[in-house]
Amino acid sequence: EVQLLESGGGLVQPGGSLRLSCAASGFTFSSYAMNWVRQAPGKGLDWVSGITGSGSNTFYADSVKGRFTISRDNSKNTLFLQMNSLRAEDTAVYYCAKEEGPTPSYYFDFWGQGTLVTVSS
Amino acid sequence: SYVLTQPPSVSVAPGKTARITCGGNNIGSKSVHWFQQKPGQAPVLVIYYDSDRPSGIPERFSGSNSGNTATLTISRVEAGDEADYYCHVWDSSSDHWVFGGGTKLTVL
Repeated sequence: EVQLLESGGGLVQPGGSLRLSCAASGFTFSSYAMNWVRQAPGKGLDWVSGITGSGSNTFYADSVKGRFTISRDNSKNTLFLQMNSLRAEDTAVYYCAKEEGPTPSYYFDFWGQGTLVTVSS
Repeated sequence: SYVLTQPPSVSVAPGKTARITCGGNNIGSKSVHWFQQKPGQAPVLVIYYDSDRPSGIPERFSGSNSGNTATLTISRVEAGDEADYYCHVWDSSSDHWVFGGGTKLTVL
């Protein structure tokens, strides 16, 4: 059974940093691209970043490029999102999502339950 | 950047058919995926590659995609179908995933 478990969310001040993790199980982690998607309170889904199964290629939404870094440790079946220079508008539930293929352009077949990031002073 | 447009809300009586549209420039040339999200829960894939259903999704859910509009159709709507629905595509010109703004389905 595929399981994705996010952690690392919390309250952080504007300009601060946070590192999210997503522990994966139930599938061959390195064979699949992974993504982060966020959802601000009462708003829609917003794709943040993606990474190929090998980790060699990364992709970012324009709103986070240069501030967020996606990475993965295939030996530990874990996906990461390093978030720097956080802004109030980054406040959201952050989901990790598995892609059904090694690179982007397939589809998201499984999602975690999300972790809440709140950026506020 | 590529934009997907969904109606904010759709209402339907139980047992009737709901159609949720997703508009985009020449969206028929892209593969469209649909997610259902109930309050407080993670999204669930209900349609992928325009019209394929994952295992466990009822046959009442179907999809189509042509020209500038993709459509999610829910037949014989039930109270449990009440949720937000999102369309989703990969934009190869920007290497970005794009979500529609979401449609709230209300079962009257």
